[in-house]
Amino acid sequence: GENVEQHPSTLSVQEGDSAVIKCTYSDSASNYFPWYKQELGKRPQLIIDIRSNVGEKKDQRIAVTLNKTAKHFSLHITETQPEDSAVYFCAARRRSNDYKLSFGAGTTVTVRA
Amino acid sequence: DTAVSQTPKYLVTQMGNDKSIKCEQNLGHDTMYWYKQDSKKFLKIMFSYNNKELIINETVPNRFSPKSPDKAHLNLHINSLELGDSAVYFCASRVSGSNYEQYFGPGTRLTVT
Repeated sequence: GENVEQHPSTLSVQEGDSAVIKCTYSDSASNYFPWYKQELGKRPQLIIDIRSNVGEKKDQRIAVTLNKTAKHFSLHITETQPEDSAVYFCAARRRSNDYKLSFGAGTTVTVRA
Repeated sequence: DTAVSQTPKYLVTQMGNDKSIKCEQNLGHDTMYWYKQDSKKFLKIMFSYNNKELIINETVPNRFSPKSPDKAHLNLHINSLELGDSAVYFCASRVSGSNYEQYFGPGTRLTVT
């Protein structure tokens, strides 16, 4: 099955700096890569996703890049703000009968004011 | 306007008891999931139903039994609760097909004493 590894497990950045989280996946058939943000005590919520036919996607201060050859994808947050503090999860899914999402272990991001 | 709802939000119970968690979605989705999030924040899929049919059944103890009375509901019954069952349980739903977002419910925090 799919195995998604995520690094780093914790990340502390100064407000205004950039944050980068990296994930690798094992199944070359995976074609959908979402990123979820989970604030303390809340549900995970989708913040951005990318499909395998695209190399990069941007939405305001967040961007995701995908390298299919190397089987890794990254989340970039620019101009970080205190409200960006949360746990971020990457995930991968392949087209199959169950469309199962395999999650990374999460990255706890702390933005220091 | 609740999309995915769960009841109860908190559940405190003693070892050996049997308990149920309910999930309902009003999004018209046909696929629903149960995830377990342990104290280390790892999101682990437990079950998935598509149109009331079980399509994912990870290696979960058979004390856990999901039931889907219709497409909009997926309940989780747990028998003989153990200390290790303490976690946050998230329900999620989506439209089947490869390019659709998965929405999470607010979570049920289960504490077994």
